[in-house]
Amino acid sequence: QLVQSGAEVKKPGASVKVSCRVSGYIPTDLSIHWVRQTPGKGLEWMGGFDSEDGERIYAQRFQGRVTMTEESSPYTAYLEVRGLMSEDTAVYYCTTASGMPDLWGPGTLVTVSS
Amino acid sequence: QSVLTQPPSVSAASGQKVTISCSGSTSNIGSNFVSWYQQLPGTAPKLLIYDNNERPSGIPDRFSASKSGTSATLGITGLQTGDEADYYCGAWDNSLNAVVFGGGTNLTVL
Repeated sequence: QLVQSGAEVKKPGASVKVSCRVSGYIPTDLSIHWVRQTPGKGLEWMGGFDSEDGERIYAQRFQGRVTMTEESSPYTAYLEVRGLMSEDTAVYYCTTASGMPDLWGPGTLVTVSS
Repeated sequence: QSVLTQPPSVSAASGQKVTISCSGSTSNIGSNFVSWYQQLPGTAPKLLIYDNNERPSGIPDRFSASKSGTSATLGITGLQTGDEADYYCGAWDNSLNAVVFGGGTNLTVL
């Protein structure tokens, strides 16, 4: 089960850090990915941890502006987005992934508004 | 503009069958497994199909999927009002080095 942090309201230019706590059985090859959904629009993959080679992969459009990290006890993943713009207003989902996203968290609404 | 192409909406009568198409390219669907997700109104997406045609435990066999070349299809039989949702296809893209999704298809059960 994935438990995400609560909704956030941020001003343009600010940063936000969303957390995702994993409860229950945690496999040693756990990978967490992040996907966002802008209002009324579809899904956009932001990146994730590849447990096979131990590297984080970021979607090109987010490289340099997004950081994904993990802590092991309790297992918690974090997504930090810097330099927020109004276009970053979205629901941010963490997902477990075996190649592709499988189990999804409930989502965290991030609103960027002046 | 999504990398994978889905029809924006489909509809069918209760109890009938519907199919949802997902078109891609050799760098995504043509080379990798396809997953399908169901997003009920106001909720997070849920995995319906993985590895082209496999159902996770708990997903009824009314849901099925197939892949041919650079296209994939989701089929739903015995439609129920509870199936009204947005459906997304997804796959890894070797050129973009990213997971890509379709734009989503809204299903209406008449």
